[in-house]
Amino acid sequence: KQEVTQIPAALSVPEGENLVLNCSFTDSAIYNLQWFRQDPGKGLTSLLLIQSSQREQTSGRLNASLDKSSGRSTLYIAASQPGDSATYLCAVNVYTNAGKSTFGDGTTLTVKP
Amino acid sequence: GAGVSQSPSNKVTEKGKDVELRCDPISGHTALYWYRQRLGQGLEFLIYFQGNSAPDKSGLPSDRFSAERTGESVSTLTIQRTQQEDSAVYLCASSRDRGSNIQYFGAGTRLSVL
Repeated sequence: KQEVTQIPAALSVPEGENLVLNCSFTDSAIYNLQWFRQDPGKGLTSLLLIQSSQREQTSGRLNASLDKSSGRSTLYIAASQPGDSATYLCAVNVYTNAGKSTFGDGTTLTVKP
Repeated sequence: GAGVSQSPSNKVTEKGKDVELRCDPISGHTALYWYRQRLGQGLEFLIYFQGNSAPDKSGLPSDRFSAERTGESVSTLTIQRTQQEDSAVYLCASSRDRGSNIQYFGAGTRLSVL
């Protein structure tokens, strides 16, 4: 059974700092991995999707990497801003259960002005 | 339509009553997913529809939970004889096809069982 763990559970940083969020998964036979952002009381917004054949994806100040063999992904946020404050979730899609994503519990990020 | 639409946005019900939650996916998306998110926790997979294939119901927590989808359109998640432990946000997502594409989420339905 796939398990997804996100560390840390919460993170508080001053504005402008670069930071890394971690996601680990137990079954390396994944189809893809997706990072989401969730704002309080709202649904999820997809940030980056990495296919199993890819090593990283970039969008603006965000960079997500994937190391399938070690079961890890990181989300790097450069020059953090107060507007980045949210909960960040990673979700893994395992090929044998295509379409059935397993989510981590998320990392709640607070960026202080 | 712009995105995934869920209704109602909030639902308060009494223990033992049945509730229906609705999800309108993005037009043309063949895959539809239901998740449950308890307070402070990640998302828990419930059920997955892909086109006209039999749905993957392996995440439904009990036989009180059921879901239907008409073709590639609206889906309804039904919870019978609600319990307090059913209180959560129920999120729906759709994607163009199975797993290979980005999931787009609705804002969710916050269910409170008193």
